[in-house]
Amino acid sequence: AQSVTQLGSHVSVSEGALVLLRCNYSSSVPPYLFWYVQYPNQGLQLLLKYTTGATLVKGINGFEAEFKKSETSFHLTKPSAHMSDAAEYFCAVSTFSGTYKYIFGTGTRLKVLA
Amino acid sequence: GAGVSQSPSNKVTEKGKDVELRCDPISGHTALYWYRQSLGQGLEFLIYFQGNSAPDKSGLPSDRFSAERTGGSVSTLTIQRTQQEDSAVYLCASSLESSPVGNEQFFGPGTRLTVL
Repeated sequence: AQSVTQLGSHVSVSEGALVLLRCNYSSSVPPYLFWYVQYPNQGLQLLLKYTTGATLVKGINGFEAEFKKSETSFHLTKPSAHMSDAAEYFCAVSTFSGTYKYIFGTGTRLKVLA
Repeated sequence: GAGVSQSPSNKVTEKGKDVELRCDPISGHTALYWYRQSLGQGLEFLIYFQGNSAPDKSGLPSDRFSAERTGGSVSTLTIQRTQQEDSAVYLCASSLESSPVGNEQFFGPGTRLTVL
């Protein structure tokens, strides 16, 4: 069965510091991987996704993620945090193996300290 | 263009009452999903509609929950005999049909349900 694990329900970083949000997945078939962001009082929106091809994926607002099959990971990074990055971030995995599954992680709330 | 819309935005009901939550997907999107977002629980998949195929109801938590999609567009999620544990934000999302596995889901703003 497919699953997604996000390590750390809350992460705090200083403004200007590196952002690293961890996501590990489990899947018996090739996965498609996504990061979504939910700003306060807003709906979820796509940050970036990996389907095939280049394993380093760049998204909006300076975020990027690298698909590492050997580590079953898809960690989200941003070199320098900005106050506006404070939000909740969700990793998701999508697979098709007879049936279609789209599974979200439990989310990581990012706090950016001035 | 118009995004996914949901109504009502907030719903307060008494335990035991039935509620209906509505979702209008993006025009042209034939895949539609319902999720439940509870505090600290992430997004819990409820049900998935894909075109004219039978829906995937594997995420519905009990037989008090049901959903339908009329005309391949608008969807209604119904919760019968609501319980306090049903309190959550109910999210609807839609995506293009062509390849749902790799497609982005577009989310509505959600309906916050409070069961007293």
